[in-house]
This record gives sequence, structure tokens and C-alpha cells, in this order.
Amino acid sequence: GENVEQHPSTLSVQEGDSAVIKCTYSDSASNYFPWYKQELGKRPQLIIDIRSNVGEKKDQRIAVTLNKTAKHFSLHITETQPEDSAVYFCAASMRTNAGKSTFGDGTTLTVKP
Amino acid sequence: EAGVVQSPRYKIIEKKQPVAFWCNPISGHNTLYWYLQNLGQGPELLIRYENEEAVDDSQLPKDRFSAERLKGVDSTLKIQPAELGDSAVYLCASSSRDNKNIQYFGAGTRLSVL
Repeated sequence: GENVEQHPSTLSVQEGDSAVIKCTYSDSASNYFPWYKQELGKRPQLIIDIRSNVGEKKDQRIAVTLNKTAKHFSLHITETQPEDSAVYFCAASMRTNAGKSTFGDGTTLTVKP
Repeated sequence: EAGVVQSPRYKIIEKKQPVAFWCNPISGHNTLYWYLQNLGQGPELLIRYENEEAVDDSQLPKDRFSAERLKGVDSTLKIQPAELGDSAVYLCASSSRDNKNIQYFGAGTRLSVL
């Protein structure tokens, strides 16, 4: 089955700096890669996603890049703000089993004011 | 539009007791998921339903866990008997037929087994 590894497990940045979180996946059949943000005690919420036919996608201060050959994808947050502090999860879905997502173990991002 | 609703939000029980969690997915979403989330880890799929059919329950510990979605809408997840290691957050999520990849999560039930 699919295996998703996420790094780093914790990340601390100064407000205004950029943050990068990286994930690797094992199954080349995966074709959908969402990122979720989970604030303390709250539900995971989708913040951005990318499909395997696209190399990069951007939405305001967040962007995701995908390298299919290397089987890794990254989340980039620019101009970080304290409200970006949360746990971020990446996931990968298999083309042959739509709806089944394998999640990374999460990255706890702390943005210091 | 209401999101995925889960209850209870918190549950404290003693080991060997039974416990049940309830989930109401987003209206019209035919796919429903139950996940287990341990502290410091990502969600792990327990079971996935397409309407009332369990299409993936390979990760569900069937000796003590059971789930149902009788009418293809609400779902319950049960543990009997609970063990100390079952302490975790149990998340429910749903997705639509048109886009199964996008999952909407509930707030979860935090279970503490003493």
C-alpha cells in the first residue's frame, strides 16, 4: 500500500518568514495530493491540493509543488502569520481507489510573533 | 450548509466498557470515513463506506470494533470492549460522489480509556 512520509515533524519560524513542509510517497499510482491544516482541538481542513497533471499550484500565500519523478510534494507558506500556527498534514490518494487517502504524520508549525 | 457532525466530542470510560460514536455526514455525501488519530500522528483509516456498503474495512480491528451505516447516511462506530490503547481521537469524514478525493472532516470524538 501507499506510504507517506512527512518532514519536518516540527517547524518554528519567525513571523514574516517562509515555511516549507515536504512529503514523499511510495506509490506511483497516487495522483491526488491534498494538504490539511488542523488547529488545536479542531477538525482537519483542506487548504490546498494538487493533481499529478500539475507541477505547481498557488493560492495567495500558500503553494504546493509536485515532483512526480521523485515522488515528493511540498507545501510552501510565505509571509507567515501567527494564525498559520497549526498542524499540517499531507496526504496521497491512489488513482485506482479514489477516496482512499494515506496521511503523513503531520508537521507542527509555530509562527513566532 | 452544515458540516460533518460528530458526537460526543469527548468520552471518558473505563477499560472493558463499550463505547459508541456517531457521525452525520454532509447532506448528499455518499462516502463516509472513520479515522483514528493518535496524538502526534496523521489520521489512519478504519473503515470507508460507499452509501451503506463498507468498501474498505481492512484496517478495522474486527475483534472489538464494529461500524454501521444502515441507511447510507448516519454512521456509528462502536468499540466493545475498550482497551487503554484505544484512547485517541476518532474522526469522521465524508466526500461527494462527484469528488471523492476531497474529504470534509468532523471535529472528532476524543476518547479517553482509563
